[in-house]
Amino acid sequence: DAGVTQSPTHLIKTRGQQVTLRCSPKSGHDTVSWYQQALGQGPQFIFQYYEEEERQRGNFPDRFSGHQFPNYSSELNVNALLLGDSALYLCASSPRGASPLHFGNGTRLTVT
Amino acid sequence: RKEVEQDPGPFNVPEGATVAFNCTYSNSASQSFFWYRQDCRKEPKLLMSVYSSGNEDGRFTAQLNRASQYISLLIRDSKLSDSATYLCVVNPGNQGGKLIFGQGTELSVKP
Repeated sequence: DAGVTQSPTHLIKTRGQQVTLRCSPKSGHDTVSWYQQALGQGPQFIFQYYEEEERQRGNFPDRFSGHQFPNYSSELNVNALLLGDSALYLCASSPRGASPLHFGNGTRLTVT
Repeated sequence: RKEVEQDPGPFNVPEGATVAFNCTYSNSASQSFFWYRQDCRKEPKLLMSVYSSGNEDGRFTAQLNRASQYISLLIRDSKLSDSATYLCVVNPGNQGGKLIFGQGTELSVKP
């Protein structure tokens, strides 16, 4: 039974570029949440998707957007990258918005 | 005030020591509580849920005091493999599956 899978594992981008991160939830889970974890900090909630709609959003600018597909997989898009966007991006899945969440291995984004 | 605050750490302890982590949360309506463990450069993994009556899992004991909005984690007979960052996590309860994480407390267990 595959857990939460994320791709790519690592990514290096330049300021101003755009990036798309991908996530497949654990089998049986229909809710996907995205978190940003800066070095030395706990994960910060970006947003949550359920039934292909954004249900909750944290304090992140509109440069951060997402999508959920009919198969429950999800994408996180970040436009106009800033140096401060460098972080570990974590995807977590759960059944019907319940907790606790199961996390994927994360995508480490470096913006230069 | 941060929504979830933890001891700043790091904690450096010898093998076999007992170590306690403390955490406070600001939202009195919070519904559920957890401790996650995160190894260096890896994803957080659920260590244990925290129940009002307190709960134990082997060497690990979690306590919750709703009146004081305080959560604790006690590790007895610490092992080298317990070295990690421990994250206190709160579900506000009225926001679906959104979790609020503390900044984490790093534990280093030395031989």
